[in-house]
Amino acid sequence: NAGVTQTPKFQVLKTGQSMTLQCAQDMNHNSMYWYRQDPGMGLRLIYYSASEGTTDKGEVPNGYNVSRLNKREFSLRLESAAPSQTSVYFCASSEGTTDTQYFGPGTRLTVL
Amino acid sequence: AQKITQTQPGMFVQEKEAVTLDCTYDTSDQSYGLFWYKQPSSGEMIFLIYQGSYDEQNATEGRYSLNFQKARKSANLVISASQLGDSAMYFCAMREGALNTGGFKTIFGAGTRLFVKA
Repeated sequence: NAGVTQTPKFQVLKTGQSMTLQCAQDMNHNSMYWYRQDPGMGLRLIYYSASEGTTDKGEVPNGYNVSRLNKREFSLRLESAAPSQTSVYFCASSEGTTDTQYFGPGTRLTVL
Repeated sequence: AQKITQTQPGMFVQEKEAVTLDCTYDTSDQSYGLFWYKQPSSGEMIFLIYQGSYDEQNATEGRYSLNFQKARKSANLVISASQLGDSAMYFCAMREGALNTGGFKTIFGAGTRLFVKA
């Protein structure tokens, strides 16, 4: 039981490049989330998916797209990376009773 | 307006002593949930404890307890018998209203960094 996994762990991009961050969970959770964490700040919600087949914008969606590939997988895509997207990205999934979120290990992304 | 406020950017505690990390929240919802997460220097987010707004008893999980004062809108984390491994960033979070397509919105505070001294 791996919980929530994310790939890659680290990534360096040049401005304008694209990439996809992968996330998978094996806890059979319906809801999945993508957050970013910037220095000195808490987590901010980028996109979420309440169930397979649905996605919606969070607090800071600009410059990102997501795909809920199936119940297990939720990917985040940067189409044209910008230095302002330098951050640590966390994927999370949650269970229904309390909606407690369980996080992946994070992806540290640097955009030059 | 800030919904989750953690007023202590950094805290020091002596090993084996208890420490309280403050958290106040703002919501007009009747049904909400409060969480604490730990983020060690390795970077992962670890769930510690949960308190529901209708729970009458304060939540406890091992050395962690949540001091829930609903009227004051505070949800302080108490760590008893601090250990060196407790040195980390601690985030308070609140789950409130439903999101557009289902699920709930969870908002995180800016965090408190705890240093445990030997």
